[in-house]
Amino acid sequence: DADVTQTPRNRITKTGKRIMLECSQTKGHDRMYWYRQDPGLGLRLIYYSFDVKDINKGEISDGYSVSRQAQAKFSLSLESAIPNQTALYFCATSDRKTGGDYGYTFGSGTRLTVV
Amino acid sequence: DQQVKQNSPSLSVQEGRISILNCDYTNSMFDYFLWYKKYPAEGPTFLISISSIKDKNEDGRFTVFLNKSAKHLSLHIVPSQPGDSAVYFCAASGKGSGNTGKLIFGQGTTLQVKP
Repeated sequence: DADVTQTPRNRITKTGKRIMLECSQTKGHDRMYWYRQDPGLGLRLIYYSFDVKDINKGEISDGYSVSRQAQAKFSLSLESAIPNQTALYFCATSDRKTGGDYGYTFGSGTRLTVV
Repeated sequence: DQQVKQNSPSLSVQEGRISILNCDYTNSMFDYFLWYKKYPAEGPTFLISISSIKDKNEDGRFTVFLNKSAKHLSLHIVPSQPGDSAVYFCAASGKGSGNTGKLIFGQGTTLQVKP
């Protein structure tokens, strides 16, 4: 099993729908992140969480919300999806004890299409 | 404001030759730099890193060079192999306000190594 698992892998949804992307990890890391990848823009940080009670906005948090249900689970929600949220979404984890910033472990990504 | 920039979207080299991928940054508070490699349908994976107290770090065929005065780093792959064909992301982290504990990524460079 993968260390960082994202579900679903692919999703097509309609404009205005609520959708949740889920991430779970077995690495025991305390820090979790959500990024989106767009052509020509690279990976941009949406939200991050340093522990269960800590949630922080990233560069592009508008239109998104997150929930850290447990140390191992971090979900990303689009309350009302819009077409420009079509992107590849990645969850990542890191470990504060080894420096935190370094050596992220990424999931395989969720390809979201909003029509 | 793109704090980490990879100005070359793509690079094509012949197998056995050197690949040089470049990255520029604007935030002088960044003190740790990383390169990630991404294959299609997979998440990015950590490749090599360098601390700002060094100007070179080598790991097998991969070497990262840091020029702090120019706010520039580069990744050298020698010799390049077809399996190196992937998207390469430069990332940075720092201890300054707003940067602690998270990575800022560049746009990515797609490397193609031709047999």
